[in-house]
Amino acid sequence: DTGVSQNPRHKITKRGQNVTFRCDPISEHNRLYWYRQTLGQGPEFLTYFQNEAQLEKSRLLSDRFSAERPKGSFSTLEIQRTEQGDSAMYLCASSLGTGTYRANVLTFGAGSRLTVL
Amino acid sequence: DQQVKQNSPSLSVQEGRISILNCDYTNSMFDYFLWYKKYPAEGPTFLISISSIKDKNEDGRFTVFLNKSAKHLSLHIVPSQPGDSAVYFCAPSYSGNTPLVFGKGTRLSVIA
Repeated sequence: DTGVSQNPRHKITKRGQNVTFRCDPISEHNRLYWYRQTLGQGPEFLTYFQNEAQLEKSRLLSDRFSAERPKGSFSTLEIQRTEQGDSAMYLCASSLGTGTYRANVLTFGAGSRLTVL
Repeated sequence: DQQVKQNSPSLSVQEGRISILNCDYTNSMFDYFLWYKKYPAEGPTFLISISSIKDKNEDGRFTVFLNKSAKHLSLHIVPSQPGDSAVYFCAPSYSGNTPLVFGKGTRLSVIA
């Protein structure tokens, strides 16, 4: 197992364009999370999935953001009509999700850095 | 509303000495606390955790202390090594099911 994989690692786009990020979690993990991190801040929760069900969304996740996890495997995070304020590191993480405290230990990917010009 | 506060953005320590990183929280529902370490260009990695039923948890050079009455926890690293230079995040949770809430982090620099 190679851990949590995220692609692309870096995306530069012009304002108004759509971008999509992909996350491949650890195979036996049934929970998958998306976080956003900006300079000088800790990771901020965006949304998470239990298998293919999206269980919670942060108010940070505007209507321009959509996340999917078809078949409970990989996940995509799409940002439509990007704005300069969307520039950030988008982190994906996965966990066992068995309901025990240990299940809340997240394994993060290296992140996808978005730069909106 | 900041539920987690790491009031020291940075900390510089000499190699071999003790590093103490602090974290304060406001939500008394938090009952499990994790520390993550982040190197540049990498995602955060889990370091150590503590349940609210304990006041101390030790793992090698790393020890986390929890003071529930003060809603305060601290991470001690002793002896500090240059490879410990990273950003450290405090991340509490409750019920074992909720997404982690992260502090802003403390950048630790260990000087050889």
